[in-house]
Amino acid sequence: EAAVTQSPRNKVTVTGGNVTLSCRQTNSHNYMYWYRQDTGHGLRLIHYSYGAGNLQIGDVPDGYKATRTTQEDFFLLLELASPSQTSLYFCASSEDSQNTLYFGAGTRLSVL
Amino acid sequence: QQKVQQSPESLIVPEGGMASLNCTSSDRNVDYFWWYRQHSGKSPKMLMSIFSNGEKEEGRFTVHLNKASLHTSLHIRDSQPSDSALYLCAASMDTNTGKLTFGDGTVLTVKP
Repeated sequence: EAAVTQSPRNKVTVTGGNVTLSCRQTNSHNYMYWYRQDTGHGLRLIHYSYGAGNLQIGDVPDGYKATRTTQEDFFLLLELASPSQTSLYFCASSEDSQNTLYFGAGTRLSVL
Repeated sequence: QQKVQQSPESLIVPEGGMASLNCTSSDRNVDYFWWYRQHSGKSPKMLMSIFSNGEKEEGRFTVHLNKASLHTSLHIRDSQPSDSALYLCAASMDTNTGKLTFGDGTVLTVKP
C-alpha cells in the first residue's frame, strides 16, 4: 500500500504563530492533497497539486499557503495561525486523477 | 454551498441488518464517485468506487450510481460491529486537475 508520511503528528502553537506541516509520499504519485477535518464536517480541500511546482486552490484556502517542492514533498504553511485553524489535517496522494487517494496518519494542530 | 451532500448524518442498525447510505452531488460536472471509510482515530481508506451507471458489488458492500440524478448509494448487508465508522462520499468534478470533494459523512453504528 502507498506510504504517506506526515509530520509532525501533533503541534501546538499560539495565535499569530508560524506553522509548517510536512507530507512525503514515496510512491511517485502525481497528485497530492491537503484536507482539514473538523467535527461535524467531512474532509475539506485546502490545496492540491498534480506535480512538482504545481499548485491548485481548493475549497477552503484562506489563511493557508502550500508548496510542492518535489514529486515527493508537499508542505502546508500557516503564516499567521488563528484559533479557527485548529483542526486535524490530512495529506493524501494518488497516482492520477481517477485513482484511489492514500492518506497519511494526520496532524492534529491546536492554535491557542 | 456544499457540492456533495450525504444522508443521513447518522445511522444505527442492528448487527446482521442492512445499512443504506446516500450521496448526491449538486455539481453536474461530476464524473466519478468514491466511498471512503474512516474508523475512529484512523485515516480514511477507500472502500469502493463507481464510475458508470448501475450497480457494483464487492462482498457485503454494494454501490449504486444514477448519473442522471447525480446520486450514489452504498448498501452494507449483514452489518457487523466492525463496520461502525464514518462513511465519506467523494466526487471528482474535474479529472483534469484531480480535484476531489468530500461530503460531511454518515456515522454508522452497528449495535451487537
